[in-house]
Amino acid sequence: ETGVTQSPTHLIKTRGQQVTLRCSSQSGHNTVSWYQQALGQGPQFIFQYYREEENGRGNFPPRFSGLQFPNYSSELNVNALELDDSALYLCASSPGLAGGSDTQYFGPGTRLTVL
Amino acid sequence: QQQVKQSPQSLIVQKGGISIINCAYENTAFDYFPWYQQFPGKGPALLIAIRPDVSEKKEGRFTISFNKSAKQFSLHIMDSQPGDSATYFCAANRNGNEKLTFGTGTRLTIIP
Repeated sequence: ETGVTQSPTHLIKTRGQQVTLRCSSQSGHNTVSWYQQALGQGPQFIFQYYREEENGRGNFPPRFSGLQFPNYSSELNVNALELDDSALYLCASSPGLAGGSDTQYFGPGTRLTVL
Repeated sequence: QQQVKQSPQSLIVQKGGISIINCAYENTAFDYFPWYQQFPGKGPALLIAIRPDVSEKKEGRFTISFNKSAKQFSLHIMDSQPGDSATYFCAANRNGNEKLTFGTGTRLTIIP
């Protein structure tokens, strides 16, 4: 176990709705990254937060947004859900630049189904 | 330039055999190359990682071979066991930029 937790485990939404996914980082980690993993594909980088500031974003539209809190936990928000948003959403935490390590530890993911 | 290409897509190996998965990258700025193992319904788990200052790294039955000039790296699983059956992803990123670029994955099946 990595110590990274995510909630909820599974979620079913309908097209057009909004969803919030949550992630609790491993103790001592100040950097969190979010990835989207479609079925049968590798994870795709959504964005990263370092000390509550966005620190890089992948090729995802603005309806994907995030937050990182002072305790380094994080949220991923997706507005106006589309069918193609159905995927496993992964959160990964790492010690960050100050930690001198690029190792990312993944949580178990949230399986989102959009109907 | 951000792609990481992984092959094969699927692999079947007999128990006790050697499993080999290959990856190639384009971005010469990449300097950290991890391999992740993922079981169905679980998040990826770090298996082993290498930096380009060495050509090989071994941890137990798992070995990464790295060829900087060819921009290729590979995972070797020695004495493969049924419990190794999973999907394996190679990945890469740049120092100071922790965004990981993943390969497309290899589904490994170890048969008795």
